[in-house]
Amino acid sequence: AQSVTQLGSHVSVSEGALVLLRCNYSSSVPPYLFWYVQYPNQGLQLLLKYTSAATLVKGINGFEAEFKKSETSFHLTKPSAHMSDAAEYFCAVRGAGGTSYGKLTFGQGTILTVHP
Amino acid sequence: DTGVSQDPRHKITKRGQNVTFRCDPISEHNRLYWYRQTLGQGPEFLTYFQNEAQLEKSRLLSDRFSAERPKGSFSTLEIQRTEQGDSAMYLCASSFWEVGGTEAFFGQGTRLTVV
Repeated sequence: AQSVTQLGSHVSVSEGALVLLRCNYSSSVPPYLFWYVQYPNQGLQLLLKYTSAATLVKGINGFEAEFKKSETSFHLTKPSAHMSDAAEYFCAVRGAGGTSYGKLTFGQGTILTVHP
Repeated sequence: DTGVSQDPRHKITKRGQNVTFRCDPISEHNRLYWYRQTLGQGPEFLTYFQNEAQLEKSRLLSDRFSAERPKGSFSTLEIQRTEQGDSAMYLCASSFWEVGGTEAFFGQGTRLTVV
């Protein structure tokens, strides 16, 4: 079984400030981890994914995330926030094998607000 | 290819009515997934198909819900005797499931409101 916990349902930052969105996972099998972004009334867009290669993963729009097995974490960061980053962000996990292979389990989401 | 397409984008229906949603995946993708997202929550898995075979169904998918993918291309999700609790965004995603395949690409969703 797998689960994801996103710490903080709302995060507010100033434009140009560091963005840090937290995600902790639980998985009985080696996990594949993902961050998706969702703009209002839109579907989900993949930002980045971890699939057991490099632990530091770079994604689109300047985002990156680091897989830390000892902390069971996969936090999302961006050095400098832009107004266009305002959206809801979801962390997700799926198994690299076993019966959970393929389907994603999502966290509850973190709404990012960026102030001018 | 324009990505995963869902129709309609919005649906308002009266309680007790039946509704059907359509999803057209990316053309070469062999897997198709349905998720449901309620307000303030992350998407929850409902079911998925590999080609035309429905391989897994969540316990969230009650007897009033049925999904099909008759020719391994588009899929439909039908909800019979809708209830107010069915109000949600229904998301479809597709992927190409082979070694070196792709992760899931999502459509823009169908927002269902049951009044």
